[in-house]
Amino acid sequence: DTGVSQNPRHKITKRGQNVTFRCDPISEHNRLYWYRQTLGQGPEFLTYFQNEAQLEKSRLLSDRFSAERPKGSFSTLEIQRTEQGDSAMYLCASSLWDTNTEAFFGQGTRLTVV
Amino acid sequence: SQQGEEDPQALSIQEGENATMNCSYKTSINNLQWYRQNSGRGLVHLILIRSNEREKHSGRLRVTLDTSKKSSSLLITASRAADTASYFCATVRSGTYSGAGSYQLTFGKGTKLSVIP
Repeated sequence: DTGVSQNPRHKITKRGQNVTFRCDPISEHNRLYWYRQTLGQGPEFLTYFQNEAQLEKSRLLSDRFSAERPKGSFSTLEIQRTEQGDSAMYLCASSLWDTNTEAFFGQGTRLTVV
Repeated sequence: SQQGEEDPQALSIQEGENATMNCSYKTSINNLQWYRQNSGRGLVHLILIRSNEREKHSGRLRVTLDTSKKSSSLLITASRAADTASYFCATVRSGTYSGAGSYQLTFGKGTKLSVIP
């Protein structure tokens, strides 16, 4: 296991289309997070899973966004009816249960909505 | 919303010099973490300091935490060109746990460090 894997690395889509991103966490990590990062800003929290349960969702996560983590393994983040404002880097991270532990980030999926 | 504020926003130094970055935050925390991000890449964890700790070292890194001032600093000694990156502080707030446990890293906007060879 070489770390958190995200696919695709880049995605260009037309406004109004749906897109789905995948994140494969480190296998023994039961926590998984999604963040969004725009140019010059720090990552902003979107949502968090403990195993398969989605425990927190940011107000940034509008009803066009949905995330799943079936069976507590990989996760998907879907954006429906994409808008230009959705253009950003989408980062996935995973960690162990312990609060005082580091999060391991994937390389991110860069979304460009044209 | 972003809890942390890094200062300065950008820092340019010569190789071999020390680099100091500061972070201020707003709410009580469980721990504070520093991450590095190379351009267009994912974040790499550098160091974690718990709320009951005041100082921590890791290699050329030294982190301090002052919970009374809600601030932290990251010192990189003897900087190298390879240290060129953006550095972010991130906090885990205390008292946000419910049910199975709540955990959310809240990041600042980062300090962009350039180390000139």
